[in-house]
Amino acid sequence: DVKVTQSSRYLVKRTGEKVFLECVQDMDHENMFWYRQDPGLGLRLIYFSYDVKMKEKGDIPEGYSVSREKKERFSLILESASTNQTSMYLCASSSPSSRPEQFFGPGTRLTVL
Amino acid sequence: AQSVSQHNHHVILSEAASLELGCNYSYGGTVNLFWYVQYPGQHLQLLLKYFSGDPLVKGIKGFEAEFIKSKFSFNLRKPSVQWSDTAEYFCAGVRFSGGYQKVTFGTGTKLQVIP
Repeated sequence: DVKVTQSSRYLVKRTGEKVFLECVQDMDHENMFWYRQDPGLGLRLIYFSYDVKMKEKGDIPEGYSVSREKKERFSLILESASTNQTSMYLCASSSPSSRPEQFFGPGTRLTVL
Repeated sequence: AQSVSQHNHHVILSEAASLELGCNYSYGGTVNLFWYVQYPGQHLQLLLKYFSGDPLVKGIKGFEAEFIKSKFSFNLRKPSVQWSDTAEYFCAGVRFSGGYQKVTFGTGTKLQVIP
């Protein structure tokens, strides 16, 4: 059974803290994605990576950075968390083939106080 | 820029009613279109997908969607909904640009099915 796992289901942090969200996939996928999901806004792409050490900005990269040191792992970093980054964060992976179905992790609900 | 629009934000239906959720995309060229579903407390999962060929695609749990190129639409349908279909549904489009995938999701439609 293919899997995308995320390090935490729930996380509470304080404003200004550095936050790391980890995502691991076991499907040997080249592509990995970070989204945030907010009510009424759907999924918005923060960053994606199509290979190890490669990254591309999505639609809302401000305030975030990412790291992809290994193929199976894609980390999202909030350098200095702010209250407007309170959200559900979803990680996904896909194959670079012509049939790009995405597989999602369970999500991390981050609250920044 | 590409976009995917879902016009119904919240739909309430009684069991056995028919369902149609709208999805429109804004870009031309080759498109890959998807519907994902998120049941309460669960992660997003694929419902169905269209790449090419027969414009009527069938997915899991009795769902289907029809790709109508002239209308830039990919509406999701089910003839008779069940209480267990209560979930949030997302339409997504993928196109290939610069050698990698460009993914866009719609804002989602919350479906509530009343027993």
